[in-house]
Amino acid sequence: GAGVSQSPSNKVTEKGKDVELRCDPISGHTALYWYRQSLGQGLEFLIYFQGNSAPDKSGLPSDRFSAERTGGSVSTLTIQRTQQEDSAVYLCASSRGLAGFYEQYFGPGTRLTVT
Amino acid sequence: AQKVTQAQTEISVVEKEDVTLDCVYETRDTTYYLFWYKQPPSGELVFLIRRNSFDEQNEISGRYSWNFQKSTSSFNFTITASQVVDSAVYFCALSDGSNYQLIWGAGTKLIIKP
Repeated sequence: GAGVSQSPSNKVTEKGKDVELRCDPISGHTALYWYRQSLGQGLEFLIYFQGNSAPDKSGLPSDRFSAERTGGSVSTLTIQRTQQEDSAVYLCASSRGLAGFYEQYFGPGTRLTVT
Repeated sequence: AQKVTQAQTEISVVEKEDVTLDCVYETRDTTYYLFWYKQPPSGELVFLIRRNSFDEQNEISGRYSWNFQKSTSSFNFTITASQVVDSAVYFCALSDGSNYQLIWGAGTKLIIKP
């Protein structure tokens, strides 16, 4: 498909385990974003990539969170030693450029449940 | 500081009614962009519209219309003859155009009852 894809769609993990969430952006989109959305809440910005670089990581909630992007394409968000408060839907979006100007295309999200 | 307020947390109407979702923004920039995104129950946000601060013309797209008023710092969204498929959470967002981040509103949950 031509849209943004994310995997897995659902992930249930035990507290303390590490998880990896994957995002495949639209081909050719240079900008990639990760957001977190708790149940019934708005969007919380986590991190932004321009190419393979992440100019701003200040949105990451703690040092247990990290992200990388390779080849200007696929991105992985890793959460180490998961906690129950990490439970949320993690959304990925891509765009042709800065989200402040260009429309973002969102993936379906990964629903993370930490038990 | 920039801010977006969507005061309506949840709106419920009967199908075929018209409904307006309010969006009020704050910014000191003279150049800025306003967005609306729709998040249906499936969860995937969908871009609806982008408007820049220099274009105050209202926009209509089918049953959707947007009223941009700089005098009141509002960018309201109206759905005419609502349908059940319009049920979703709608987000309004603001940027200065040069930033990688949007300032998101909290969203308005719209419920269209058959």
